[in-house]
Amino acid sequence: SAVISQKPSRDICQRGTSLTIQCQVDSQVTMMFWYRQQPGQSLTLIATANQGSEATYESGFVIDKFPISRPNLTFSTLTVSNMSPEDSSIYLCSADTEAFFGQGTRLTVV
Amino acid sequence: GESVGLHLPTLSVQEGDNSIINCAYSNSASDYFIWYKQESGKGPQFIIDIRSNMDKRQGQRVTVLLNKTVKHLSLQIAATQPGDSAVYFCAENRGLTNAGGTSYGKLTFGQGTILTVHP
Repeated sequence: SAVISQKPSRDICQRGTSLTIQCQVDSQVTMMFWYRQQPGQSLTLIATANQGSEATYESGFVIDKFPISRPNLTFSTLTVSNMSPEDSSIYLCSADTEAFFGQGTRLTVV
Repeated sequence: GESVGLHLPTLSVQEGDNSIINCAYSNSASDYFIWYKQESGKGPQFIIDIRSNMDKRQGQRVTVLLNKTVKHLSLQIAATQPGDSAVYFCAENRGLTNAGGTSYGKLTFGQGTILTVHP
């Protein structure tokens, strides 16, 4: 099965700044997905990252706030822009060939 | 709208007992369901999955039951151990397929159940 790696594993950021999270898969995949898990809650899909086209965002999530890149079939980035404390969450990526997740990025905004 | 939900947010059991975690789903078109285990500070860990053309699937110490009539999913853990203590999520696949005909990624998650196993 594919291995999914995320960077950074955790970060503490100042409000108003942006953080880019990287997701690397060790094999080529068609679709990659980004999820958010707010404290004490379940996972919510943010968007689907497609190679060669714009990401598809779920209701409640917009590109200006969560820009996504997908430069190739093994890599994607999610940026959390203009952060506020409400953005403090775990951000996780997954791939369509696997029912597995990376370890996630634990973001704290202060 | 579509949703996947859990009946019980917490479950406490004694070591050695069997545990049953329940999940209800609302999208009758869903064709794939997954159970995940999430330990503190870690990402969700795949436990077991089941397709809608099945009503039961067994793994090592775990069994998933699917009742499509009432849109209910359950995870049974036999001889529960302290290491099983975690949050358990059910997830529903929205039927998005890739070129290979299988897609696992676009999931709707349930609320989660906290399982605590007492030694």
